[in-house]
Amino acid sequence: EVHLVESGGGLVEPGGSLRLSCVASGFTFSIAWMSWVRQAPGKGLEWVGLIKSKGGGGTTHYAAPVKGRFTISRDDSKNTIFLQMNSLKTEDTAVYYCVKVYKEVTPAFDYWGQGSLVTVSS
Amino acid sequence: EIVLTQSPGTLSLSPGERATLSCRASQSVSSNYLAWYQQKPGLAPRLLIYGASSRATGIPDRFSGTGSGADFTLTISRLEPEDFAVYYCQQYDSSLYTFGQGTKLEIK
Repeated sequence: EVHLVESGGGLVEPGGSLRLSCVASGFTFSIAWMSWVRQAPGKGLEWVGLIKSKGGGGTTHYAAPVKGRFTISRDDSKNTIFLQMNSLKTEDTAVYYCVKVYKEVTPAFDYWGQGSLVTVSS
Repeated sequence: EIVLTQSPGTLSLSPGERATLSCRASQSVSSNYLAWYQQKPGLAPRLLIYGASSRATGIPDRFSGTGSGADFTLTISRLEPEDFAVYYCQQYDSSLYTFGQGTKLEIK
């Protein structure tokens, strides 16, 4: 059974930094593309970024609002991905979901974590 | 960036009725790269449809997806009480994703 468990959320002041982690189990992590999606309170879903498998190039890609401030990385030895968030803004307040990409040819998000709340406020 | 526009914003129907949700893209989307999700309050979204028309594991056959190019549709043939939720479409293009703004399906 697939599990994705996020951690690291909390309250941070504007301009601050926070790192989220997501530990995965139940599938072959090293070949999986992984992504982050966020949802501001009462709002819709917003894609944050993607990290491909090393076999897929290991590249990272980001949505425009977070590009240059957020960094996704992975540690295949620990079945974990990370979301490093710098220069945080109040509009980054959201629940952040770690998601698994189904497969490259049909890259939908087939499994989601429970989410980690990040609140940016002074 | 491809923009997805979902309509209607809110759909009020009764159990047993048929629901038709629309997702229109600002430019053509590969059918392989169009997905639909269901989200209930306080829960993470759940994948319903991938590749525009393939049901995800465990999804009942009352859910179906159709469409191509820039117009896609999610149909729920006969609404069950548990189907009232928010639905999102999503597309993938050149390593970037976007979601539609969502359609809320509420009980009439």
